Amino acid sequence: GIQVEQSPPDLILQEGANSTLRCNFSDSVNNLQWFHQNPWGQLINLFYIPSGTKQNGRLSATTVATERYSLLYISSSQTTDSGVYFCAVGSTSGTYKYIFGTGTRLKVLA
Amino acid sequence: SQTIHQWPATLVQPVGSPLSLECTVEGTSNPNLYWYRQAAGRGLQLLFYSVGIGQISSEVPQNLSASRPQDRQFILSSKKLLLSDSGFYLCAWNIGGEQYFGPGTRLTVT
Repeated sequence: GIQVEQSPPDLILQEGANSTLRCNFSDSVNNLQWFHQNPWGQLINLFYIPSGTKQNGRLSATTVATERYSLLYISSSQTTDSGVYFCAVGSTSGTYKYIFGTGTRLKVLA
Repeated sequence: SQTIHQWPATLVQPVGSPLSLECTVEGTSNPNLYWYRQAAGRGLQLLFYSVGIGQISSEVPQNLSASRPQDRQFILSSKKLLLSDSGFYLCAWNIGGEQYFGPGTRLTVT
């Protein structure tokens, strides 16, 4: 099956700093999402980005499907950005099964 | 808009007791539905998915089962809980690729 690796596993930032999170996957995929899991466990959709680049406020994401990686950029980080960021990849077989990476745990210090 | 409900939010059950977790979706028809489990500090593991009423696929051999008695209802069950069944259980739905998660049920088996 597809393997999904995320880096770094842990990240500590000072408020206002920028960061880049990476997601590598081992096979061709047709679906890719980034999620933020907040301290209460809720998974929040950040981007649905099987290819290309998208931006939403201070966050942006780029997926290069041919090279099997995706990047999530966080600019001017805030304490509310703390939590775990997951990348998930899936196929278009009709089942839309997603395989999750192990996540990047981000802590933003005030 | 679409909404996904899960209950209960938290549950403490003794080893050997039965389990029933319910997930319902509003505002959509014929979604793909999924059950995931997240162990403490870990990523998400896909347990079951369903592409329609009565259609269940299991991803991991385990002590759990799933059923889909109605189009927008997905139930996770166990006849006898094990300590290793403890975790955070998340239901998700998907139409056309993008996946959305419910608030989750935190299960502790004692």
